Amino acid sequence: GQNIDQPTEMTATEGAIVQINCTYQTSGFNGLFWYQQHAGEAPTFLSYNVLDGLEEKGRFSSFLSRSKGYSYLLLKELQMKDSASYLCAVKDSNYQLIWGAGTKLIIKP
Amino acid sequence: GAVVSQHPSWVICKSGTSVKIECRSLDFQATTMFWYRQFPKQSLMLMATSNEGSKATYEQGVEKDKFLINHASLTLSTLTVTSAHPEDSSFYICSARGGSESQPQHFGDGTRLSIL
Repeated sequence: GQNIDQPTEMTATEGAIVQINCTYQTSGFNGLFWYQQHAGEAPTFLSYNVLDGLEEKGRFSSFLSRSKGYSYLLLKELQMKDSASYLCAVKDSNYQLIWGAGTKLIIKP
Repeated sequence: GAVVSQHPSWVICKSGTSVKIECRSLDFQATTMFWYRQFPKQSLMLMATSNEGSKATYEQGVEKDKFLINHASLTLSTLTVTSAHPEDSSFYICSARGGSESQPQHFGDGTRLSIL
């Protein structure tokens, strides 16, 4: 079966750094996406990784290791507005997007 | 760029009513559109995938006669919930993707549907 694992909930302090991990087992791989979803709102696209390595975009970075079936989203200089759920999603060999259940990130002052 | 507009954002109606939700890509051509449902504190659940001009592909367990999807143009898809009942109350979200399979899906703001 296809599976994406990410922690259910994480807590971090404003101004700090947090890393949200995602591991996946899918039938094939055609890219990994990270989305941010605030409560009651639709997801917004954050990043896309298809090759191994780190993609940096401002305060957010995303890393991929295809051999390990592993990715992480790194958030720096945390702000209160970063409190949200972070969704990891993988495209399998049929280009179907498999969604993780999301990690709820709580930022404390 | 990559703006997706979804209307209405909130619907409250009586049981037995049919409700139509529109999803439009405003600044790109959406070759593929997706419809999701999300219950509180749960993950996104894909309902169906539609390509412009062809019939939608429904996920297992989703009733195609209850959730009618039309994707008549490269910028518009509609989801009609027919004869809605309280158990259909949920947050419905559309997304659109243009170009190749490697492009990300861009989401509309969602429609909160409450059936009384």
